[in-house]
Amino acid sequence: GDSVTQMEGPVTLSEEAFLTINCTYTATGYPSLFWYVQYPGEGLQLLLKATKADDKGSNKGFEATYRKETTSFHLEKGSVQVSDSAVYFCALTMIYNQGGKLIFGQGTELSVKP
Amino acid sequence: DADVTQTPRNRITKTGKRIMLECSQTKGHDRMYWYRQDPGLGLRLIYYSFDVKDINKGEISDGYSVSRQAQAKFSLSLESAIPNQTALYFCATSDYASGNTGELFFGEGSRLTVL
Repeated sequence: GDSVTQMEGPVTLSEEAFLTINCTYTATGYPSLFWYVQYPGEGLQLLLKATKADDKGSNKGFEATYRKETTSFHLEKGSVQVSDSAVYFCALTMIYNQGGKLIFGQGTELSVKP
Repeated sequence: DADVTQTPRNRITKTGKRIMLECSQTKGHDRMYWYRQDPGLGLRLIYYSFDVKDINKGEISDGYSVSRQAQAKFSLSLESAIPNQTALYFCATSDYASGNTGELFFGEGSRLTVL
């Protein structure tokens, strides 16, 4: 079945460091891909998305590119801040036959130190 | 006020007890979902509903039931709670348009502990 695999956390970085969180997927067909973020004590919220191969999603300085050839959607940010400390979830859906049902990776906790 | 509200936010109960988690939304969305979050496992779909008359099992529905009382309300019940149902539970919503782009709107979660 369809699945998402993320790099294990926790990831601890110093402020202004470069961030990469790896995400790979397995899917039949052509999924849409997402990054959700969960700040402490809150629900998840959509960070960025890409709906077809080679699309780049971006938001709040974060970027991810949909790579069909490597079935990947790695999250990157050039300079992290303490306020980026959160749990990040990679997810996929097959839009037209799953009606919005998302399949999530296991989540990667990011901690940014001053 | 939050667009997606879950009650209770925290609950501690004992094995065998019946528990209901409630979700209400003011977004006017047709679709509602219940997910469970466990450390290292991410979020897994329990049940989902595309409208009041349409309820579907998700990946891990055993031991759970749901009720869609109205467009805005979707409740999750554990008829006889067991310790491995200890988890953080999330309600989420989407409409046809946002659902077809994969954007769900989440509540703040209900943390359930079964002793």
